Amino acid sequence: GQQVMQIPQYQHVQEGEDFTTYCNSSTTLSNIQWYKQRPGGHPVFLIQLVKSGEVKKQKRLTFQFGEAKKNSSLHITATQTTDVGTYFCAGFNSNTGKLIFGQGTTLQVKP
Amino acid sequence: DSGVTQTPKHLITATGQRVTLRCSPRSGDLSVYWYQQSLDQGLQFLIQYYNGEERAKGNILERFSAQQFPDLHSELNLSSLELGDSALYFCASSINPGTGNEKLFFGSGTQLSVL
Repeated sequence: GQQVMQIPQYQHVQEGEDFTTYCNSSTTLSNIQWYKQRPGGHPVFLIQLVKSGEVKKQKRLTFQFGEAKKNSSLHITATQTTDVGTYFCAGFNSNTGKLIFGQGTTLQVKP
Repeated sequence: DSGVTQTPKHLITATGQRVTLRCSPRSGDLSVYWYQQSLDQGLQFLIQYYNGEERAKGNILERFSAQQFPDLHSELNLSSLELGDSALYFCASSINPGTGNEKLFFGSGTQLSVL
């Protein structure tokens, strides 16, 4: 069945360092979404990418969707302690109608 | 506040028992999703409903069942509970699934502990 893999599982960085998480799908996706879950909280929608090769920015966050629409990445520039949490990608396949989440990357930022 | 309401917030029960988790979607959202999150695990898709009908099914055990009622609230029933069913169960809702806009709004979750 459809699988979405995300790496790394954990990342510890010093405040000010950059951070990247990668997402790969076993099937071509209709769109990909990114969510952030703070410790003890629930996932919160960050962004959706739809077009092949699409790049979107939100302040220090840069999201990319691969040309083949099977992979995506989230890059955070100059991390801050407020960036702490788990970042999930979620791939939507219109053929199956399922939104499948990756395992998530948990980011720890040391001040 | 996402607008999605889940009750109860915490549930402690024993093995072999049956529980019901409840979810009220955001006003106007027709689709409800259920996800299971175990410790240090991702979000496992269980099932999705759209306007009362089952839309997609994930890795939902036969011991689990769900439904969406005419008022669009949803219930997830877990029976013959096992220790491994202990997890955080999230409900999420969306406006237009299948149209390219599947942005999900998550509730705060129900923490289930099976002892």
